[in-house]
Amino acid sequence: DAKTTQPPSMDCAEGRAANLPCNHSTISGNEYVYWYRQIHSQGPQYIIHGLKNNETNEMASLIITEDRKSSTLILPHATLRDTAVYYCIVTRYSGGGADGLTFGKGTHLIIQP
Amino acid sequence: SQTIHQWPATLVQPVGSPLSLECTVEGTSNPNLYWYRQAAGRGLQLLFYSVGIGQISSEVPQNLSASRPQDRQFILSSKKLLLSDSGFYLCAWRREDRELFFGEGSRLTVL
Repeated sequence: DAKTTQPPSMDCAEGRAANLPCNHSTISGNEYVYWYRQIHSQGPQYIIHGLKNNETNEMASLIITEDRKSSTLILPHATLRDTAVYYCIVTRYSGGGADGLTFGKGTHLIIQP
Repeated sequence: SQTIHQWPATLVQPVGSPLSLECTVEGTSNPNLYWYRQAAGRGLQLLFYSVGIGQISSEVPQNLSASRPQDRQFILSSKKLLLSDSGFYLCAWRREDRELFFGEGSRLTVL
């Protein structure tokens, strides 16, 4: 699976859009981009995933560049409850495959009141 | 709906004592099951995964073992705990091409 690079931490004001970048320059054509988040002392929570097209759900939007070498997770109206570590993961399999997902260190997003 | 349960939520054990963490999934059948560990200030490390009863794959050599005695039950064990076994242990499941669903975790402190 391709390696990802994320900033270790970011701040965002409450009510503003939080834009979390992820670089995955070695991504292959059949690899998906997944985002999870982990609120302190809880298990990670799935947010969204995509292959080529931009995706949106009730939690967030995922913007993937045309060359697929980077992506951005957008939380449109951040709240204090969005403070968490956000993980960007690239994997060959939709759902992660039988052997699970590899989590890096992620981005610690802090929402400021 | 599907749910995943882990217990105990918190555990304090002396060095050299045994360990048993249990995870069960409800509302699905034949899930893939996973054990992750998160040491203090570090990322999640995949320890074991299982695609069926009695089928266990280990990702890293360690002092721990896993078993899957029933379709929706996954157990993490150790015969003798080490200080380095302290951490936050997470069970997860998925079925077919779906995302991973995690339990609430078990926090183990080895003294």
